[in-house]
Amino acid sequence: EAQVTQNPRYLITVTGKKLTVTCSQNMNHEYMSWYRQDPGLGLRQIYYSMNVEVTDKGDVPEGYKVSRKEKRNFPLILESPSPNQTSLYFCASSSTTEAFFGQGTRLTVV
Amino acid sequence: SQQGEEDPQALSIQEGENATMNCSYKTSINNLQWYRQNSGRGLVHLILIRSNEREKHSGRLRVTLDTSKKSSSLLITASRAADTASYFCATAIYSSASKIIFGSGTRLSIRP
Repeated sequence: EAQVTQNPRYLITVTGKKLTVTCSQNMNHEYMSWYRQDPGLGLRQIYYSMNVEVTDKGDVPEGYKVSRKEKRNFPLILESPSPNQTSLYFCASSSTTEAFFGQGTRLTVV
Repeated sequence: SQQGEEDPQALSIQEGENATMNCSYKTSINNLQWYRQNSGRGLVHLILIRSNEREKHSGRLRVTLDTSKKSSSLLITASRAADTASYFCATAIYSSASKIIFGSGTRLSIRP
């Protein structure tokens, strides 16, 4: 079954405490991406990756890092989270005909 | 910046009526896709239309594409309460084999 797995689903953390949200796909897709979704702002792309070791900034990359050491994994790293990064985060894995989304990670930074 | 912009941003209709959402985009595309998102959940793929197609149907969904105007529309016929969701268009662009860019979405509410 085609799947994108994100973890954790919910996370509450304190300002400045480094965290990683994991994302894994089983479809051998080259293209993966991270989005954040905030009320009234739709989906905004944070980072994307065209292939292993190839990553690039999306529309809102500030405060985030990513890595793509293996094709299946694309973790999102917040080195020093701040309250304005409180949001709903989605990982996606894409071919040219369809994007598959993870279930989302609801992050609260206090 | 967003490739696709949906119009309207929000739409409220009576159950049984048809709902039409529009999407405009900026660059040449390989295909255009529509997705649905229930509140707080991941997006789910609904339908794809290729750049050489003008219209496509899937159940109660009808999608049109006008590449000369760089626009697409999604029509949901005989709407149901369960159609309440946000709908996003997304474009796969020529410059990249696998990149899909999402629009800002239309929030559809179906009144019983």
